[in-house]
Amino acid sequence: GAGVSQSPRYKVAKRGQDVALRCDPISGHVSLFWYQQALGQGPEFLTYFQNEAQLDKSGLPSDRFFAERPEGSVSTLKIQRTQQEDSAVYLCASSTGPNEKLFFGSGTQLSVL
Amino acid sequence: DQQVKQNSPSLSVQEGRISILNCDYTNSMFDYFLWYKKYPAEGPTFLISISSIKDKNEDGRFTVFLNKSAKHLSLHIVPSQPGDSAVYFCAASEATGANSKLTFGKGITLSVRP
Repeated sequence: GAGVSQSPRYKVAKRGQDVALRCDPISGHVSLFWYQQALGQGPEFLTYFQNEAQLDKSGLPSDRFFAERPEGSVSTLKIQRTQQEDSAVYLCASSTGPNEKLFFGSGTQLSVL
Repeated sequence: DQQVKQNSPSLSVQEGRISILNCDYTNSMFDYFLWYKKYPAEGPTFLISISSIKDKNEDGRFTVFLNKSAKHLSLHIVPSQPGDSAVYFCAASEATGANSKLTFGKGITLSVRP
């Protein structure tokens, strides 16, 4: 596609449910990032992939958060046993390399009830 | 601990006038700075950037100024247009020329009145 695609656009989960958020980066982009944006805040870094390698996961808030990119293209962010504080917009971004301009998707808005 | 601070949550200016959006940072290791623009229900889009070796970068109506000694940068939009109404995020990175692992401010909502 022309841009970074994220699905679903909206996700409502009951507390304790597991969720999976998908990101389709721009074709050929080797670098992929996940950010979390809470209401009224700026995006906060979660994790970074270069191809299939997860090079930095220092921003993942707990071991309930897990990200993968097994074939170096599509990435999935999984949150286990969701909590209310996980409610946020999850943004995916990709670039042609680690030092290149980031292109963001529209995000997945997660609401945990 | 907010390493990138945008202390004014909102700004309203008249069409045709200058918009000045400010940003302060505390981490002296930051050496690359960016501004992103975000419309509702869309992801942030890159606007303009500046490396710490420069004090000014201009792109059309947008100019970013960097004052390293004050750890302050600003985005100037001249002339402002109604289509500029959006949330503007200041972001910074420790790696020279890198867009990875950006640290964002909370954003400023700019409203340009016709």
